[in-house]
Amino acid sequence: GAGVSQSPRYKVAKRGQDVALRCDPISGHVSLFWYQQALGQGPEFLTYFQNEAQLDKSGLPSDRFFAERPEGSVSTLKIQRTQQEDSAVYLCASSLEGQGVYQYFGPGTRLLVL
Amino acid sequence: SQELEQSPQSLIVQEGKNLTINCTSSKTLYGLYWYKQKYGEGLIFLMMLQKGGEEKSHEKITAKLDEKKQQSSLHITASQPSHAGIYLCGADLNFGNEKLTFGTGTRLTIIP
Repeated sequence: GAGVSQSPRYKVAKRGQDVALRCDPISGHVSLFWYQQALGQGPEFLTYFQNEAQLDKSGLPSDRFFAERPEGSVSTLKIQRTQQEDSAVYLCASSLEGQGVYQYFGPGTRLLVL
Repeated sequence: SQELEQSPQSLIVQEGKNLTINCTSSKTLYGLYWYKQKYGEGLIFLMMLQKGGEEKSHEKITAKLDEKKQQSSLHITASQPSHAGIYLCGADLNFGNEKLTFGTGTRLTIIP
């Protein structure tokens, strides 16, 4: 399809386990964003890439969270030593470069940490 | 406290009725985006507003941004079951930064 895809759609992890979430943006989209959405809340910004450069990671909640986009296309969000408070939906979005362009969102990965 | 306040948090409306959802900020909204989300799905883009006083419509949905660019409203006319879902306003609160700050959302239920 032509939209943003994410995998896996659902992930159950035991506390302390490492997880990796993948995002395939729309082809040609320069900007890529990761958001975290807790139950009943709006998405909260985690980090932002322009091509392969991570320009803003101010929203990453701890050093257990790490994101990369090595070739400026696919991105991976990694969470090390998962905790129960990491349970949330992780949304990826991509957009063309610049102001005034809207972000296309993927379906999200629902992470449950037991 | 939330930088972007949405009201109401939930809304139950009879099919065919009109409704309004509000989004308010204490900061200037350099770009205001309305999205719709259904449970278990991503966000679907509805409309984008950038200029003070701007108003846009698509089918039965109208969005407005006030002159001061601190408040936006989303109005649905003659609501239908397909309008049910969670409506989220997202804003660029820091000019030159592309990241969005979102409100907590408004859950809309349409009663047949």
